[in-house]
Amino acid sequence: AQSVTQLGSHVSVSEGALVLLRCNYSSSVPPYLFWYVQYPNQGLQLLLKYTTGATLVKGINGFEAEFKKSETSFHLTKPSAHMSDAAEYFCAVGGSQGNLIFGKGTKLSVKP
Amino acid sequence: NAGVTQTPKFRVLKTGQSMTLLCAQDMNHEYMYWYRQDPGMGLRLIHYSVGEGTTAKGEVPDGYNVSRLKKQNFLLGLESAAPSQTSVYFCASSFTGLGDTGELFFGEGSRLTVL
Repeated sequence: AQSVTQLGSHVSVSEGALVLLRCNYSSSVPPYLFWYVQYPNQGLQLLLKYTTGATLVKGINGFEAEFKKSETSFHLTKPSAHMSDAAEYFCAVGGSQGNLIFGKGTKLSVKP
Repeated sequence: NAGVTQTPKFRVLKTGQSMTLLCAQDMNHEYMYWYRQDPGMGLRLIHYSVGEGTTAKGEVPDGYNVSRLKKQNFLLGLESAAPSQTSVYFCASSFTGLGDTGELFFGEGSRLTVL
């Protein structure tokens, strides 16, 4: 069965600093991996996804993630944090039932 | 283009009352989902549908029922609400199943409180 673990329920960075949000997955088949972002009082929206091919995936708003099969990881990064990046971020893996299995989320705070 | 619309956005119920949440999508998507979001728990799948007239159980289906009589609508019902069902409910849809490369499109959520 597939599962996702997000390390750190809260991450705080200063504006302009590197953002690193960690995600490890477990899957018995080649995984489809996603990062979603949720701004306050809104639904989730897709940030980026990995299906096949290039292991470095670029998403919206300057975010990117690297699929590392040997480490079963799909960490999300952004070189320079902006105040508008403050949100909750969810890693997810495509499930065998045709659904998405979400991690518990990481809340990102950005300090001025 | 409205995308995924949920109604109502807020509702307060007393224990034992019933209610229905409506999800409507205008993207002609085959797949529709109901998730619940609780603090520290992420999103958990309640029920889903792979097409008009079909429904299937997700991870936490107990206490909920669903119906997909029309392709564009997916209803979530609570027959006898319990305080444990206090949560934020999200409807989502996708063109293809998420076992491949499908992307979920979410509504803005429905906040339900059961007293």
